[in-house]
Amino acid sequence: DVKVTQSSRYLVKRTGEKVFLECVQDMDHENMFWYRQDPGLGLRLIYFSYDVKMKEKGDIPEGYSVSREKKERFSLILESASTNQTSMYLCASSPRISTLNEKLFFGSGTQLSVL
Amino acid sequence: SQQGEEDPQALSIQEGENATMNCSYKTSINNLQWYRQNSGRGLVHLILIRSNEREKHSGRLRVTLDTSKKSSSLLITASRAADTASYFCADTNSGYALNFGKGTSLLVTP
Repeated sequence: DVKVTQSSRYLVKRTGEKVFLECVQDMDHENMFWYRQDPGLGLRLIYFSYDVKMKEKGDIPEGYSVSREKKERFSLILESASTNQTSMYLCASSPRISTLNEKLFFGSGTQLSVL
Repeated sequence: SQQGEEDPQALSIQEGENATMNCSYKTSINNLQWYRQNSGRGLVHLILIRSNEREKHSGRLRVTLDTSKKSSSLLITASRAADTASYFCADTNSGYALNFGKGTSLLVTP
């Protein structure tokens, strides 16, 4: 089975801290994604990557950056955490697109609280 | 950007009943997918229906797609307490990423 592992299930940080959320997948998938999920707003795409060192902005990239140095790992970075970044963060991966828009495999999520 | 929107926002039924959730979208799509999320966990893919398909089945799940109305429905037959979860539709017209709706919260009581 495909496994997408997010490094932390719960995380509490202080305002202004630099925060790293790590995601690793074990299925050699080319595409990786970061979403955030908030009550009443559903899932919103922050960034995605379709290859090593490649990244594309999603709908809400402000305040975030990403890093993909290795194929299996996709990191989300909050440069200076703010309280409005308190959210559930979901990482996902999918194989290379031969036909468009293959299904996504999700990690269990990281619930981040910024105090 | 969000495109799929589920209806209703919340649904409460008893075990053994059928649950129907609807999804509407705004622009043309390549495919539409349904996902389930148990409380506080990641999403799990349930079923994918392509734009040239009208109906698809997987176990107790039945998905329909009406491209003329830009809508899809997910039917769960003979619901069980374990079906309690949030259900999301997701679509995209191009590119790599999926656009998710806000979800339908389903509660199945014994």
